[in-house]
Amino acid sequence: AQSVAQPEDQVNVAEGNPLTVKCTYSVSGNPYLFWYVQYPNRGLQFLLKYITGDNLVKGSYGFEAEFNKSQTSFHLKKPSALVSDSALYFCAVRDIGDYKLSFGAGTTVTVRA
Amino acid sequence: DTAVSQTPKYLVTQMGNDKSIKCEQNLGHDTMYWYKQDSKKFLKIMFSYNNKELIINETVPNRFSPKSPDKAHLNLHINSLELGDSAVYFCASSPRGTHEAFFGQGTRLTVV
Repeated sequence: AQSVAQPEDQVNVAEGNPLTVKCTYSVSGNPYLFWYVQYPNRGLQFLLKYITGDNLVKGSYGFEAEFNKSQTSFHLKKPSALVSDSALYFCAVRDIGDYKLSFGAGTTVTVRA
Repeated sequence: DTAVSQTPKYLVTQMGNDKSIKCEQNLGHDTMYWYKQDSKKFLKIMFSYNNKELIINETVPNRFSPKSPDKAHLNLHINSLELGDSAVYFCASSPRGTHEAFFGQGTRLTVV
């Protein structure tokens, strides 16, 4: 079985400050990990993924995430947040060889000017 | 040239009715999905097809029936709609294996 936990329902930061959105996962094999963003009344947009290789992956809009196997985490980060980053962020995991993509409960990010 | 398109975008209907949501992807992907997003924004997978074959069928009432006429289409038919079916339904597609899924814009279903 695979699962994802996003421990924070909400994250609030000031514009220009670093942004971190936390994610931990559980899989039986090797994980494929993803981050998505959802703006109000929109579909999910893919941000970045970890499949293999370098633990630090870079994605769209200046976001990056670090895969930590020992802590089973895949936290999303942005060095300097923008007001336009305010949205709902989802972490997702797929177990190797599995078609199923499981999502966390989502974290609402609010960046204040 | 929308990659994953769903129709309709909004659907308001009465309890007991039967309705369908259509999904098409022009990405050439092998795998397609239906997800339900509830009022708390939680995303739950419902079904998945790979090359027209059903591969994921989560615990979903049998009033929900997916149909994949070809690799590029995955439709969702819902019989005897109930108030609790009100949600946003997302279609998505993915190449095989490790790749990410691409999502449609969603269909907001409201049952009154």
